[in-house]
Amino acid sequence: GNSVTQMEGPVTLSEEAFLTINCTYTATGYPSLFWYVQYPGEGLQLLLKATKADDKGSNKGFEATYRKETTSFHLEKGSVQVSDSAVYFCALFQGGSEKLVFGKGTKLTVNP
Amino acid sequence: NAGVTQTPKFRILKIGQSMTLQCTQDMNHNYMYWYRQDPGMGLKLIYYSVGAGITDKGEVPNGYNVSRSTTEDFPLRLELAAPSQTSVYFCASTPYGGSQETQYFGPGTRLLVL
Repeated sequence: GNSVTQMEGPVTLSEEAFLTINCTYTATGYPSLFWYVQYPGEGLQLLLKATKADDKGSNKGFEATYRKETTSFHLEKGSVQVSDSAVYFCALFQGGSEKLVFGKGTKLTVNP
Repeated sequence: NAGVTQTPKFRILKIGQSMTLQCTQDMNHNYMYWYRQDPGMGLKLIYYSVGAGITDKGEVPNGYNVSRSTTEDFPLRLELAAPSQTSVYFCASTPYGGSQETQYFGPGTRLLVL
């Protein structure tokens, strides 16, 4: 079946550090890929997405590239801020299934 | 727009009690979803609906029921609460199904079953 694997957290960084959160997936065909973010005490919100191979999603300084050859969708940001502290979820949508499949989430804490 | 709203924010239930988690969206979205989020885990789909009067099971439907009498509302019913249902529940909606659609989430309901 379809699945998403994210790097284990928690991740703790200092402000202005470089961030990478790894995400790999298993799916048939060509799923769409998403990163959702959950700030403390809130629901999830879309951070970025990519719907086909080699697409790059970007938002708020975050980027992720859909790599079909490595089945990956790693999240990166060049310089994190304290306000980026949150839980980040990688997810895929498989056509015909009507559902998102989520990874377990990676908690990021950014210290000043 | 208020987006997706959920009530209550937090509830404690005793084993065997029942309750309904409310979810309302004001975006005229056709698709609505219920997820549960357990600590250290991703979200698991409980039920979803593609429009008023149409519902279908997700990955973990046992112990839950849903109804969709209007486009706006998608309540989740727990009939006989069990400790295994202790979780955070999220409702979400999207205009249509399909791989490019963003899901919009409510703030969640935290449920503790003792």
